[in-house]
Formats: sequence, structure tokens, C-alpha cells
Amino acid sequence: DAMVIQNPRYQVTQFGKPVTLSCSQTLNHNVMYWYQQKSSQAPKLLFHYYDKDFNNEADTPDNFQSRRPNTSFCFLDIRSPGLGDAAMYLCATSRGYDRPGGNEQFFGPGTRLTVL
Amino acid sequence: QKEVEQDPGPLSVPEGAIVSLNCTYSNSAFQYFMWYRQYSRKGPELLMYTYSSGNKEDGRFTAQVDKSSKYISLFIRDSQPSDSATYLCAMKSAEYGNKLVFGAGTILRVKS
Repeated sequence: DAMVIQNPRYQVTQFGKPVTLSCSQTLNHNVMYWYQQKSSQAPKLLFHYYDKDFNNEADTPDNFQSRRPNTSFCFLDIRSPGLGDAAMYLCATSRGYDRPGGNEQFFGPGTRLTVL
Repeated sequence: QKEVEQDPGPLSVPEGAIVSLNCTYSNSAFQYFMWYRQYSRKGPELLMYTYSSGNKEDGRFTAQVDKSSKYISLFIRDSQPSDSATYLCAMKSAEYGNKLVFGAGTILRVKS
């Protein structure tokens, strides 16, 4: 089945220790998104890639960066995690938003990040 | 005022009940409306997608959009314990970079 895969499902890191979260997709979608979701809150978009074009949200801290080496993979790098960065990180994909079906986003299972 | 308002619940209903979940929004530019279901510690799963106003039905689920009132609803008929989850509404407008704007979610508990 075509899907969005996130690894690891659970990640524990120490305050200030860099961490990388991984997302891969078999849907061959143009767009890949990273969201942060804290407990009982709505997912908050951090940034997204449309193909190789990176689009950062204005309020995303500099501490968060992303890489997309190819169509299938996208990474979220947190350079110096703080206690406030503990959250579920969700990866999503969609077809190009100017294409049929491009408004529908498909989510992975998420990576739950704990910062000690 | 948040762009999308959604009652957090929890909403508890007996098995077999009809469930009504709702969101209101403030931005009339939203054109695309979605409902996601999110089980505990899992990613959101797309349930329903509608464009502009009107109704859409898929099995036990019906989505309604009333753009004049800025109000959307999700109805679940014959609710089952497996429907117990958090339901997130989300909406989108091309004017705002095609970003999904989510409600905070309503927790639904269906008791057997």
C-alpha cells in the first residue's frame, strides 16, 4: 500500500542535543509537509517542500530546519532542542496544490519527541 | 479570535447514536474543507473532503458546509466504539498559500 512512513516513532533526546526525524513516502507526491502537534492542540505547520522548493512558515523558529534530498524522503532537523519542543511531529504529503486532488494531505503516524 | 473554532469535548455518546461535530471559522476565503480522524498517538487520517458549500456522504459519514454561516459539520450515523477518536476539521484557501488551517479537535467517545 502506498503510504507515508515516519521513523523513529518515538525519539528521546537531551536538551540541546541535535536530533533528526525522518519521513518517506511511496505516494510519489510533489509536496511534503512537517507539522508540530502539542497535546490537545491543532497541528501547526512548520514548513513544506513543493518538489525542491522550500517554503518556511514565518513563525517557525530558526532551530527547525529541513532537507529533502529526493522525492521520497524529507528530514526534520532540530538543532538545539528545548523542553518546549517536546511534541508529536507529523509528516504529510499531497499532490501539487495546483493539481487535481492537490488539496488533500495524507499524514504519517508521527514521531513523538521527548526532550530530557 | 482563532481562525477555526472547534469544541474540544469530550463528547460521550452511546453506541448507535448519531454524532454531530462542528467547526466555525472566521475567514470567508476558505474554499476547501476537510475532516480528519486521529486516534491516540497516531497521525490524522483524512475522512472527508468537500469543496465550497453543500453536503457529501460516504457510508456512515456526512459532511456539510454552510459558507454563508461559516459553519461546517460532520455527522456520524450508527456510531461505533471504533469511532472513538479526536476529530479535526481543517480548511484551506488558495489565497493563503494553500496551508491547511486546523481546528484543535473534538474528542469523541462512543460507549458500548
